[in-house]
Amino acid sequence: AQKVTQAQTEISVVEKEDVTLDCVYETRDTTYYLFWYKQPPSGELVFLIRRNSFDEQNEISGRYSWNFQKSTSSFNFTITASQVVDSAVYFCALSEAETSGSRLTFGEGTQLTVNP
Amino acid sequence: DAGITQSPRHKVTETGTPVTLRCHQTENHRYMYWYRQDPGHGLRLIHYSYGVKDTDKGEVSDGYSVSRSKTEDFLLTLESATSSQTSVYFCAISNGRVKQPQHFGDGTRLSIL
Repeated sequence: AQKVTQAQTEISVVEKEDVTLDCVYETRDTTYYLFWYKQPPSGELVFLIRRNSFDEQNEISGRYSWNFQKSTSSFNFTITASQVVDSAVYFCALSEAETSGSRLTFGEGTQLTVNP
Repeated sequence: DAGITQSPRHKVTETGTPVTLRCHQTENHRYMYWYRQDPGHGLRLIHYSYGVKDTDKGEVSDGYSVSRSKTEDFLLTLESATSSQTSVYFCAISNGRVKQPQHFGDGTRLSIL
């Protein structure tokens, strides 16, 4: 069965610091997709990125970057020069190709607090 | 933003009463999902639907039922609410392709006293 672990329950940083959120996954599928979602204090879930299991290239989008390593089953998320607006709960999620309905398995989430 | 509306947004009710939450979409997506969010558990899938009248259970389906009589509507029912079902409930939609992200509604905060 699939599983996603976000070992960091809470992280607190000072503005402009870099911060990395860890995500480790388990799956027996060879084809799968990994996602990151952001949940700001207002409560909605915002899709950030999708990565498929065949593409191990790192991705950068502005201050956000993602490091996917199949060898360690990890999909870590780094925020560079963090800002107060980055304060949110961040969820990593997995979807297996063999699972009907593209269901998502979520990690427990990491609460990131960026202090001014 | 994906056209997903959840109603009600907040509800307080008593143990033993029936509760129905509604998810309405305007995207004509085939797949719809109900998740619950609890501290320390992230989001967990309750039920999902892969078409009109086609539904299946998720990992935490006990105590919940669902119905989908139209593409745009997916109802979640708690037949006899219990305090353990106090949670935030999210509806999500997808076109069903595994690589496509699910898009979520704004959530329903349900408190059962």
